[in-house]
Amino acid sequence: GENVEQHPSTLSVQEGDSAVIKCTYSDSASNYFPWYKQELGKRPQLIIDIRSNVGEKKDQRIAVTLNKTAKHFSLHITETQPEDSAVYFCAASSNQFYFGTGTSLTVIP
Amino acid sequence: GAVVSQHPSRVICKSGTSVKIECRSLDFQATTMFWYRQFPKQSLMLMATSNEGSKATYEQGVEKDKFLINHASLTLSTLTVTSAHPEDSSFYICSARGWGAGELFFGEGSRLTVL
Repeated sequence: GENVEQHPSTLSVQEGDSAVIKCTYSDSASNYFPWYKQELGKRPQLIIDIRSNVGEKKDQRIAVTLNKTAKHFSLHITETQPEDSAVYFCAASSNQFYFGTGTSLTVIP
Repeated sequence: GAVVSQHPSRVICKSGTSVKIECRSLDFQATTMFWYRQFPKQSLMLMATSNEGSKATYEQGVEKDKFLINHASLTLSTLTVTSAHPEDSSFYICSARGWGAGELFFGEGSRLTVL
């Protein structure tokens, strides 16, 4: 199956700074790349996604980039706020969904 | 977004018993449902993929006789942990996808504790 790697595993940033999380995948058939935010004890929530025919997508403070040739995609959060603190998971999907190992983001006020 | 409901949210059982977890899509038809297992501070490990009306596809290393998955309708999938043991204690979470849609919607998760 697909192998999705995610880095870093933990990330601390000062409020207002940017945060970047990177993922790589192995299966060239993957064509859909969502990012989920999971707060402690809660279900993952989709925050942004990108399809393989698009290189970049932005939604307010959140952006995702995709390099299909290199098989990597990244999440960018600008102007971070304390409420952005959570665990973030990337995923790669063709039929199944395979998740990265997660990044615990802490935004320090 | 679409709503996926999972029940029960918490279950405690004795070793050797079986536990059933239900996953329902409340406002859309889920052609595909996925079952994940999540250990504390770890990622979502895909256990199996189930399509309505057909047998589930299990990931490598997941015992299909241990984790029985049934997807009898477009709105309901169940996971039964048979003869549960303490090492089966975990957070199990289902997710569902509708017709041709990319987005995955998650249930609330079920925390299983086997004594």
